[in-house]
Amino acid sequence: DGGITQSPKYLFRKEGQNVTLSCEQNLNHDAMYWYRQDPGQGLRLIYYSQIVNDFQKGDIAEGYSVSREKKESFPLTVTSAQKNPTAFYLCASSIIGTGNTGELFFGEGSRLTVL
Amino acid sequence: KQEVTQIPAALSVPEGENLVLNCSFTDSAIYNLQWFRQDPGKGLTSLLLIQSSQREQTSGRLNASLDKSSGRSTLYIAASQPGDSATYLCAVSSKETSGSRLTFGEGTQLTVNP
Repeated sequence: DGGITQSPKYLFRKEGQNVTLSCEQNLNHDAMYWYRQDPGQGLRLIYYSQIVNDFQKGDIAEGYSVSREKKESFPLTVTSAQKNPTAFYLCASSIIGTGNTGELFFGEGSRLTVL
Repeated sequence: KQEVTQIPAALSVPEGENLVLNCSFTDSAIYNLQWFRQDPGKGLTSLLLIQSSQREQTSGRLNASLDKSSGRSTLYIAASQPGDSATYLCAVSSKETSGSRLTFGEGTQLTVNP
């Protein structure tokens, strides 16, 4: 089945450690996104990429890094510089229409907890 | 900067009731608006996408309308069922960001009681 796969579903990290969240899609979508969701808040955009080997900062990029070496993959690294990394992380993808974002499809999310 | 607001934040209704969820946005220069459903601890599922040139979209018991000039969208759910219990989010793709990403509201948490 076509879709977006995020792993791991749950992740625990000690303070000072970097962790990488995986996101893979087989929808042949050009654009991929990482969002962060905190309780009682809407989704906030961390990074997005519209083409291989290129990505842009979203609204809360500090303390995060990404890469886009393949069309299907958009991993997110949460670095030790991120002050409050405990959150639910959502990866999404979409086609790119004529100058705008198409329908957004999401993975099942990864919950990161810092111990 | 585009802002999206959803009212109410939470709603509890008896099974079978028809209901309306509201979404408003501050900048009417949008490409499209999407409605999503999120179950606890899960990702978002796309329900309906309305292009800026459209007035409404329908899927089963769901109907979404868009009034771009007033910055409003509504999601109408007919004959609600307990399985409709979830958080519903709306999001807009704005021309201010060249349509490169969505701005989300905080969602309406819906509970349908049997």
